Amino acid sequence: GIQVEQSPPDLILQEGANSTLRCNFSDSVNNLQWFHQNPWGQLINLFYIPSGTKQNGRLSATTVATERYSLLYISSSQTTDSGVYFCAVGANSKLTFGKGITLSVRP
Amino acid sequence: AAGVIQSPRHLIKEKRETATLKCYPIPRHDTVYWYQQGPGQDPQFLISFYEKMQSDKGSIPDRFSAQQFSDYHSELNMSSLELGDSALYFCASSKQGGVEAFFGQGTRLTVV
Repeated sequence: GIQVEQSPPDLILQEGANSTLRCNFSDSVNNLQWFHQNPWGQLINLFYIPSGTKQNGRLSATTVATERYSLLYISSSQTTDSGVYFCAVGANSKLTFGKGITLSVRP
Repeated sequence: AAGVIQSPRHLIKEKRETATLKCYPIPRHDTVYWYQQGPGQDPQFLISFYEKMQSDKGSIPDRFSAQQFSDYHSELNMSSLELGDSALYFCASSKQGGVEAFFGQGTRLTVV
């Protein structure tokens, strides 16, 4: 099956810092989504981005499908950005998740 | 906007008991997916339904079964519960011809 690798596994930031989270995947896909899992376990949709670039406030994402990677940018990080960020890829809505990136933003 | 609704949000069961989890997809979404997320793990695909028929199957134990009803809601039935079944169970839905999955808030099942 498709392999999804996320890096780095853990990230500690000072509030206000910027960060880049990476997702590599092993095969062509028609779905790539980024999620934020908050401390209560909720999976929050950040982006649906099988290709191209999108921005939503302080967050933006870029997927280069031909090179099989995606990047999630967080600017001016806040403590509420803490949690686990998952990249998930697949055919249609059947998704394979990466192991996640645990982000801690310190005040 | 309406989201995917899961119930209950929390469930505590004893070993060998049975549990039923419910999922109500976004209106006009006809495809439902179930995922299991163990502690410290990433979500794993269990099973999916399209137009009330099973469309795909992942690593779902034989003790689990699921179905999608005529109103498109889905239920995941889990029997002979084991301690290892303790997990977050997510339901997701997508619309016909759509690709993006929309996730519910999850059901946290604890087996004691």
